Amino acid sequence: DAKTTQPNSMESNEEEPVHLPCNHSTISGTDYIHWYRQLPSQGPEYVIHGLTSNVNNRMASLAIAEDRKSSTLILHRATLRDAAVYYCILHNYGQNFVFGPGTRLSVLP
Amino acid sequence: DAGVTQSPTHLIKTRGQQVTLRCSPKSGHDTVSWYQQALGQGPQFIFQYYEEEERQRGNFPDRFSGHQFPNYSSELNVNALLLGDSALYLCASSLGGRGIISYEQYFGPGTRLTVT
Repeated sequence: DAKTTQPNSMESNEEEPVHLPCNHSTISGTDYIHWYRQLPSQGPEYVIHGLTSNVNNRMASLAIAEDRKSSTLILHRATLRDAAVYYCILHNYGQNFVFGPGTRLSVLP
Repeated sequence: DAGVTQSPTHLIKTRGQQVTLRCSPKSGHDTVSWYQQALGQGPQFIFQYYEEEERQRGNFPDRFSGHQFPNYSSELNVNALLLGDSALYLCASSLGGRGIISYEQYFGPGTRLTVT
């Protein structure tokens, strides 16, 4: 019962930007939008999170729609190391993280 | 700064046996969550420990139990193992005190459990 919808898979070319979409039409006003990624044979890794405003960090940018019903994770220049499963998660204090199946990103050299 | 560590890395058990998995959180973190990840699926939340008590629990049977020690490390115990318990078990640590609205979780590499 994940509250987000993501494409099963996406492909990108190395050194090109990647836009990973996430729909969350039932988001509540206090839900944070989290992104994690899981590289092969590793545990998930925090990427970024936000509430209303767009967010940037050293790994990626998070663009949040004005109505907050969707968001996009932006990798500015994909590298082979970015090939992973990317999870979009809604989270609120007192709740546990609910992971869906995520988007499997392939990066082509 | 050591991140989240888990032991053992791999484990093979027989149906009906019991298993204990261990987790040491990232330095400074006081909250530990456990997840089960079946092949090809996202992690599923088992439970979370804070201040040595189970604070939240997912949809897992009582065969799954845990413990948190005063140094914040944690154990996951599974009794009466079933073939379906074969999975990657992940531990995640975070800061979970009151007043924190949302937080980053740091995951360990996991323990791969195979039940035969």
